Formats: sequence, C-alpha cells, structure tokens
Amino acid sequence: DSGVTQTPKHLITATGQRVTLRCSPRSGDLSVYWYQQSLDQGLQFLIQYYNGEERAKGNILERFSAQQFPDLHSELNLSSLELGDSALYFCASSEGGYQPQHFGDGTRLSIL
Amino acid sequence: GIQVEQSPPDLILQEGANSTLRCNFSDSVNNLQWFHQNPWGQLINLFYIPSGTKQNGRLSATTVATERYSLLYISSSQTTDSGVYFCAVGGRGSNYKLTFGKGTLLTVNP
Repeated sequence: DSGVTQTPKHLITATGQRVTLRCSPRSGDLSVYWYQQSLDQGLQFLIQYYNGEERAKGNILERFSAQQFPDLHSELNLSSLELGDSALYFCASSEGGYQPQHFGDGTRLSIL
Repeated sequence: GIQVEQSPPDLILQEGANSTLRCNFSDSVNNLQWFHQNPWGQLINLFYIPSGTKQNGRLSATTVATERYSLLYISSSQTTDSGVYFCAVGGRGSNYKLTFGKGTLLTVNP
C-alpha cells in the first residue's frame, strides 16, 4: 500500500462529458503529481502541485485542469472528453524536491 | 528533455532464472526509480536509486550516474514477477517530474 488514494478506480463515460478524478496524497507529502498512461504515449507527466500551488505543467491538454486544496488532496478535471482520452490516470505524491514519488492505484477511464 | 531507454523491450524466462534489465538516460539525474506494473495496472515502487546499489530480497539495483545507466537484477524469478518494469528519472531542471522509459515486459513461465 503506497498510502496514496485515488478514486474512483474505474470510470466509464461518453464523449463530450466531464469527469473529476480525486487523489489523496500520503500523510505529510506536500507534492502531488498527475500522470497519464495510454497505449500509444506510454506514461506521461501531466501536472504538479506543491502545497496548493501549481509548480509544473507537462503534456496536459487545455481541456484538462487540476487543483490542490488546502487539505492537500488534488482533483484532475477532464472535460469535453474524446475517445483518445481513454487511459489510466495516476496520481503520485512526494515530500517534495527529488524525493521518491509514491503512486496510487490509478483511475481507469474508458470513453465510449 | 531527458531521454530514457530501456532494454530489452521483452523478456521471457523460466521460473528460477536470473535476469538483468537496463535503463540508459541521456542527462544527469537527481531521481531514479524502478517500478513494477503488475497485471492489475498497479505501479509498485521497487527502488529509489539515483546512485549506488541497493538490494531488497531477490531484487537488486545499481545506478552508475557518471555513465548514465541503471541496472535492475532479478534473481530466482517467480511467476509473480511477471509484468512491466519501468525506469523513471528526474533530471536536473526537470521541475521534479519523472520521465518514464517504455518499459520491459517480463514473462516468467512455470
């Protein structure tokens, strides 16, 4: 058990819809990262937050947004969903800096 | 950005065999982690090893930072070792994100 909790585990929805993925980091971790794993792109970094503030952006689409709340949990919002957004979305947390990142079990998103 | 190459892409072993997985990276790193992704999709943290050598049971890892590579050793493999092994690095100036290799798919047959 990594200590990182992601909900829901599975999500099935239709094109054009909007979904919210939730992540609770390990106790004491201030950094939260979001990654996307798809068959064609592999595992890619999306966005990072540290203590409520956005720190870095990767290959995140404009249709996607995220935030980290005062209690340090984070949400990833995906809107105007397309078939290609079907993927496994991981959240990771760390103490910060180059400390090891611990991954949740992921949310598997299927777009029909 | 930093490039990560893993080899071999696929590996098939008989139970009990040993194996070595390699990860090459293109620049200096401040973070290097090895993960095992099991058939259920979970990413299991194996090692945090930006340099040096570590061992955990049948698994060990070595990173030679000056030569920009890391090795993961699996001894006396078991069927439960099957899955994809990923190397991920955090390069200097990377804003702490991890860049993943494409992985090595390991199949251990009974």
